[in-house]
Amino acid sequence: KAGVTQTPRYLIKTRGQQVTLSCSPISGHRSVSWYQQTPGQGLQFLFEYFSETQRNKGNFPGRFSGRQFSNSRSEMNVSTLELGDSALYLCASSSLQGRDTEAFFGQGTRLTVV
Amino acid sequence: GNSVTQMEGPVTLSEEAFLTINCTYTATGYPSLFWYVQYPGEGLQLLLKATKADDKGSNKGFEATYRKETTSFHLEKGSVQVSDSAVYFCALSGAGTALIFGKGTTLSVSS
Repeated sequence: KAGVTQTPRYLIKTRGQQVTLSCSPISGHRSVSWYQQTPGQGLQFLFEYFSETQRNKGNFPGRFSGRQFSNSRSEMNVSTLELGDSALYLCASSSLQGRDTEAFFGQGTRLTVV
Repeated sequence: GNSVTQMEGPVTLSEEAFLTINCTYTATGYPSLFWYVQYPGEGLQLLLKATKADDKGSNKGFEATYRKETTSFHLEKGSVQVSDSAVYFCALSGAGTALIFGKGTTLSVSS
């Protein structure tokens, strides 16, 4: 069974640009969550999608957005990039929604903003 | 709000030493608790979990017990190996499938 696939693995963007990251969940998983990992703030929850609907959102500015398609694949978009957006962005998929459900993580997309 | 505090690293041990990584939490209600591990260059993997008070999660020789009275979920292993070198994250369940993570503890095991 293929794991969670994130593309691209590495990305370099310039301040002010926008970026789109992609996540393909494990086949059959309908829940996708996104996290930002930085050395200073650690792992922070961005948002969660389930059956194409955003179910939860973390405390991030509106420049961070996402969506989920009917095949459960998800994208997240960051507009007007800032230097502080440099981070590892992790996607996680789950088969169900709920507090006991195991989340399976991808390897992440390393975004560098210059 | 809900939060997780885990001991700062790095933790450096010799092979076969005993490991404890402390984790305490603040939460309303009765969250599930998790330990995730991140090996270099990889995403996070679930190591173990506990869903209610006094539950003990265990996997690959690691154990942690959900202690509601002390709001703790400390990770232990009796004899670490070089292959256990990684970053360990304590987490609790938030709304839906959202996870609230601690800052992570880097473990380095030498032979």
